[in-house]
Amino acid sequence: AQSVTQPDIHITVSEGASLELRCNYSYGATPYLFWYVQSPGQGLQLLLKYFSGDTLVQGIKGFEAEFKRSQSSFNLRKPSVHWSDAAEYFCAGLDRDDKIIFGKGTRLHILP
Amino acid sequence: NAGVMQNPRHLVRRRGQEARLRCSPMKGHSHVYWYRQLPEEGLKFMVYLQKENIIDESGMPKERFSAEFPKEGPSILRIQQVVRGDSAAYFCASSPLESSGYNEQFFGPGTRLTVL
Repeated sequence: AQSVTQPDIHITVSEGASLELRCNYSYGATPYLFWYVQSPGQGLQLLLKYFSGDTLVQGIKGFEAEFKRSQSSFNLRKPSVHWSDAAEYFCAGLDRDDKIIFGKGTRLHILP
Repeated sequence: NAGVMQNPRHLVRRRGQEARLRCSPMKGHSHVYWYRQLPEEGLKFMVYLQKENIIDESGMPKERFSAEFPKEGPSILRIQQVVRGDSAAYFCASSPLESSGYNEQFFGPGTRLTVL
């Protein structure tokens, strides 16, 4: 069965530090993969998506993600976080029926 | 172009009451998806609808839950005889009708249901 795993429930980084959020997927064919961000009490905002082509994907707000088929990973990165990046981040994949399958999320905390 | 609208944003119900959640898709979108987010969990697919048709309801609980997307008006997710375990955030997403390829889903702000 298709699945998306985010191994870290919470991550804390200092403002200005670099960030990497981990995501692993289990899919048969080339997956469609996404990263969403959810601020407290808000809906989901799409940060970036990967369908095919260049394995390094640029998104909004300075985020990027790299698709690595050999590691079944799609980790999200940002070189320097800002306090406003504190939120919950969801990795997700698209199944063959166009349903989005979400990971359980990683909550990002930013230290001043 | 307004985004996906959901109302109410917050809904409080007592056990046994009915909850009605509304979703107005983006203009020009004819596909609607409902997802549920339980506390400390990611979102889980519930149902996928087109106008007047349920395409996939494999994620819907077998009892008490129903969804519709009429020809006119918003999509409605209806929960009858709510229980405490129904407390969650319910998100709607819409996508356009395209002939092929992936149709991006745009999410609404969600309805947070609290069952007392």
